[in-house]
Amino acid sequence: IAGITQAPTSQILAAGRRMTLRCTQDMRHNAMYWYRQDLGLGLRLIHYSNTAGTTGKGEVPDGYSVSRANTDDFPLTLASAVPSQTSVYFCASSSQGEATDTQYFGPGTRLTVL
Amino acid sequence: GQNIDQPTEMTATEGAIVQINCTYQTSGFNGLFWYQQHAGEAPTFLSYNVLDGLEEKGRFSSFLSRSKGYSYLLLKELQMKDSASYLCAVREAGEAYSGAGSYQLTFGKGTKLSVIP
Repeated sequence: IAGITQAPTSQILAAGRRMTLRCTQDMRHNAMYWYRQDLGLGLRLIHYSNTAGTTGKGEVPDGYSVSRANTDDFPLTLASAVPSQTSVYFCASSSQGEATDTQYFGPGTRLTVL
Repeated sequence: GQNIDQPTEMTATEGAIVQINCTYQTSGFNGLFWYQQHAGEAPTFLSYNVLDGLEEKGRFSSFLSRSKGYSYLLLKELQMKDSASYLCAVREAGEAYSGAGSYQLTFGKGTKLSVIP
């Protein structure tokens, strides 16, 4: 079934540790996004990529990095996790060639930083 | 930048009709999306408006007035499974954040709808 997968589903992490959240899509979408969702704050964009080889910063990029080596994968790395990065992380993708450019979301990763 | 407002919570009765409003302020409007998000799950796409007027899709309809910076999502014949959060998202044309030529979505904080028997 076509779609977006994220791994892990959930993770508890000690502060200061490095963590990579994985995201893979098989819809051949050119654009991919990482959001975090926090209670009372809604979905906020962390980083995005319009096409393989390019990335850009969103609303809340500090403490996070991304890479886009190919079309399908868009990993998000926390170099040194802090408790304020406790959140639910959603990866999304879209086909910017479509008129609507609708974003489709993965199932999410629930991250707890202690 | 954008400012998107929608009610935090709403309650409605099974079988009834409910309207969830969304107001926005943006410098380069390029479309408005509604997503549904059940607790613990990912947002799923419901509707898209870029021109003024009503878009109908089964029990769900979405309306847009660009001049008023206003949209609403209308849910008819409410069912218990419609209990979820509904997210309004506005797409802005041109560069956003540090981007180059990409479209970005800005989401409202969501409206939690509870459907009661």
